[in-house]
Amino acid sequence: NAGVTQTPKFRVLKTGQSMTLLCAQDMNHEYMYWYRQDPGMGLRLIHYSVGEGTTAKGEVPDGYNVSRLKKQNFLLGLESAAPSQTSVYFCASRTDRRGMYNEQFFGPGTRLTVL
Amino acid sequence: LAKTTQPISMDSYEGQEVNITCSHNNIATNDYITWYQQFPSQGPRFIIQGYKTKVTNEVASLFIPADRKSSTLSLPRVSLSDTAVYYCLVGEKWKGSGNTGKLIFGQGTTLQVKP
Repeated sequence: NAGVTQTPKFRVLKTGQSMTLLCAQDMNHEYMYWYRQDPGMGLRLIHYSVGEGTTAKGEVPDGYNVSRLKKQNFLLGLESAAPSQTSVYFCASRTDRRGMYNEQFFGPGTRLTVL
Repeated sequence: LAKTTQPISMDSYEGQEVNITCSHNNIATNDYITWYQQFPSQGPRFIIQGYKTKVTNEVASLFIPADRKSSTLSLPRVSLSDTAVYYCLVGEKWKGSGNTGKLIFGQGTTLQVKP
């Protein structure tokens, strides 16, 4: 099992450009999350999904859109990138089963720089 | 969602026991307490989870008092490799308990272990 993978690992954008970050998990997890982490800071929740076809806003959703068309994939889109979106983006997934820890499994992160 | 408060940073020496306390005064009945560890340039990973009293696994112990308004992560005999950021999360575990799926990280505690 690959676990949680993120594509790409690094990206440099110019202000105003758009891009999509892809998160994929092969653990058949119901829930998926997108977080951002700025230097020296904790993780902040952008959007999350509790199942295929569902999405919900987190703490800092402005400037981002998400889609979960397939259970194993969670896409994060930046329509018009801004320097304030320079950050490391982490994706996570978790299951939802009674009696289990249901802990989050994180991907390796995508380092995004917006010039 | 219950808000968590942790010390920003802690220092320790190799071989010592380290205790990190997290405050969560408005924890709900269905909430569990989960701790994660994050190394630089990596996503967080699960350490331990509990609901009340004491939980112990191969890497840590978690102490939760009867009122559940705080919890303490205990790391026995730390080594240099335990230098990391530690996060406390409070939230519901599964849909059956009314879970919204939303999980918010706090600022975390940066633990520096010195030789």
